[in-house]
Amino acid sequence: DAEITQSPRHKITETGRQVTLACHQTWNHNNMFWYRQDLGHGLRLIHYSYGVQDTNKGEVSDGYSVSRSNTEDLPLTLESAASSQTSVYFCASSETPYNEQFFGPGTRLTVL
Amino acid sequence: DQQVKQNSPSLSVQEGRISILNCDYTNSMFDYFLWYKKYPAEGPTFLISISSIKDKNEDGRFTVFLNKSAKHLSLHIVPSQPGDSAVYFCAARVSGGSNYKLTFGKGTLLTVNP
Repeated sequence: DAEITQSPRHKITETGRQVTLACHQTWNHNNMFWYRQDLGHGLRLIHYSYGVQDTNKGEVSDGYSVSRSNTEDLPLTLESAASSQTSVYFCASSETPYNEQFFGPGTRLTVL
Repeated sequence: DQQVKQNSPSLSVQEGRISILNCDYTNSMFDYFLWYKKYPAEGPTFLISISSIKDKNEDGRFTVFLNKSAKHLSLHIVPSQPGDSAVYFCAARVSGGSNYKLTFGKGTLLTVNP
């Protein structure tokens, strides 16, 4: 069955380190999204991509970057991790921009 | 400024009764609305959606109502079951143009008691 996976599921890192969170989907969806979920904030969009080589900033993109070299993957990089980036990160994909998004299981990131 | 608001952080109902989750929005350009359900340690899953050309959409035990003039939508679950206990997120989108991103509310934790 087609699916969307995230790795690692849990990550502890130190302030200032570079961290990359992986997202892989097998639906062949062009549209992929990264969100973070924090208590009191719900889900907030970090970056999104509508196809290979396309990336766009969301509402909380500072300190994060993404690259899209193929359809299946959209890795999220924290260039220099900060304690404020401690959160649960969700990747999502959709068949078209109009369709509902399918979410991965999430990555819990702790920055010490 | 929060464009999608879920003002009730939590809701508790008895099994078999109706659950009503509410959502308000401020952006009049929103024309498509979705509800997602999220269990602990899992990603959100799509539940039901409604376009602004409709005022009601039904799928089994789940019904979403849209009141455009009040900028308000609600999700009704009838009858509620213990397995419905989860966080429910309301989301909204502006269709057309080049930006299809979803704006989410903060979520409402529903607890259905046996």
